[in-house]
Amino acid sequence: QKEVEQNSGPLSVPEGAIASLNCTYSDRGSQSFFWYRQYSGKSPELIMSIYSNGDKEDGRFTAQLNKASQYVSLLIRDSQPSDSATYLCAVTSGSNYKLTFGKGTLLTVNP
Amino acid sequence: GAVVSQHPSWVICKSGTSVKIECRSLDFQATTMFWYRQFPKQSLMLMATSNEGSKATYEQGVEKDKFLINHASLTLSTLTVTSAHPEDSSFYICSARDPSTGANVLTFGAGSRLTVL
Repeated sequence: QKEVEQNSGPLSVPEGAIASLNCTYSDRGSQSFFWYRQYSGKSPELIMSIYSNGDKEDGRFTAQLNKASQYVSLLIRDSQPSDSATYLCAVTSGSNYKLTFGKGTLLTVNP
Repeated sequence: GAVVSQHPSWVICKSGTSVKIECRSLDFQATTMFWYRQFPKQSLMLMATSNEGSKATYEQGVEKDKFLINHASLTLSTLTVTSAHPEDSSFYICSARDPSTGANVLTFGAGSRLTVL
């Protein structure tokens, strides 16, 4: 069974700090990796996608992928209170676009 | 960008009744849509893959006779929860991929929160 594991948190960081979110996955055949942000009571919104080993940066967000270690992470620089949310790691395997989600990490950024 | 609309956002129904939730791709055609369910403090669990013009593919453990999916057009998929019970109360979210972008990114609807009394 394909699994995506995340530390449920909560992760608490002060405003302006770097928040580091981690995720591991069990299916070595996974090909696409995503980070979604979900505010309470809302549906997920895409933050980052990454498909190859290494780092991918988009503004304050950096996704890191290490397929050998089956590990993907998300760094949020200069964290803001508005970043407080649950961050969901998701992966796909094959070409069917089916996403398998982790349980999410609750991030709290304290002013 | 791709927009997916869900309706209704909130629905309250009595136990034993049926509820229909609509998922529409507003600015693109989606041959495939996905239905997820999320219980409080849990992650999203895929229920089924909705295929335009053919039967939906259900994930293991999801009752296809209870959760009826119809994908009659390239822009509309519906999920009907039949004979709903309190344990069906959940947040139902659909998603779709815009094939014209060439990317394998899914866009999610805003979700439909079902409460069964």
